[in-house]
Amino acid sequence: SAVISQKPSRDICQRGTSLTIQCQVDSQVTMMFWYRQQPGQSLTLIATANQGSEATYESGFVIDKFPISRPNLTFSTLTVSNMSPEDSSIYLCSVESGDLGNTIYFGEGSWLTVV
Amino acid sequence: DQQVKQNSPSLSVQEGRISILNCDYTNSMFDYFLWYKKYPAEGPTFLISISSIKDKNEDGRFTVFLNKSAKHLSLHIVPSQPGDSAVYFCAASVNGNQFYFGTGTSLTVIP
Repeated sequence: SAVISQKPSRDICQRGTSLTIQCQVDSQVTMMFWYRQQPGQSLTLIATANQGSEATYESGFVIDKFPISRPNLTFSTLTVSNMSPEDSSIYLCSVESGDLGNTIYFGEGSWLTVV
Repeated sequence: DQQVKQNSPSLSVQEGRISILNCDYTNSMFDYFLWYKKYPAEGPTFLISISSIKDKNEDGRFTVFLNKSAKHLSLHIVPSQPGDSAVYFCAASVNGNQFYFGTGTSLTVIP
């Protein structure tokens, strides 16, 4: 199993500012995933973070807006840059384990409100 | 403590038969539930949802059943197809706000 800690759990942010979300896993994992869940919408994958390489972003998400760091096999950060109210969302990190990535663990989520 | 649990990490089913994926939760305040389908290293795909005012919701081959007294949710896929082979995970929330996720069940549909 994997235990994932995220912080902050909740924050209210001013428009135009940036916030960095941290994700710590209690075991070493190759890939970490960052998701967004906007109110009333489905879970959306932002990017996949591999240790030692650039993150891979999904369509509609760019590095300038969501820079990601992955300094080691247990830690990652996601920064939401130049925030607007549309960025108000829950951001979650996730890891997969098992030979086929068939067990999924999520952090508790970081609930950001941009005012 | 895991508020949403999927106790079967894997399931194998013959093509054409029914697949039943189960999910249990502990928080009686949960009133909105989702099922997602996910392939390894890809983003999840929303499948079907159900709110606590209903006990069944159907969409094509997918049906979700909710048993509130047992705090149990199940997803039925019938008939199962090889393309259904994926990881399925459930999610639960209060009022559609913060979701809590199960760890997934890997479904293999055998041709």
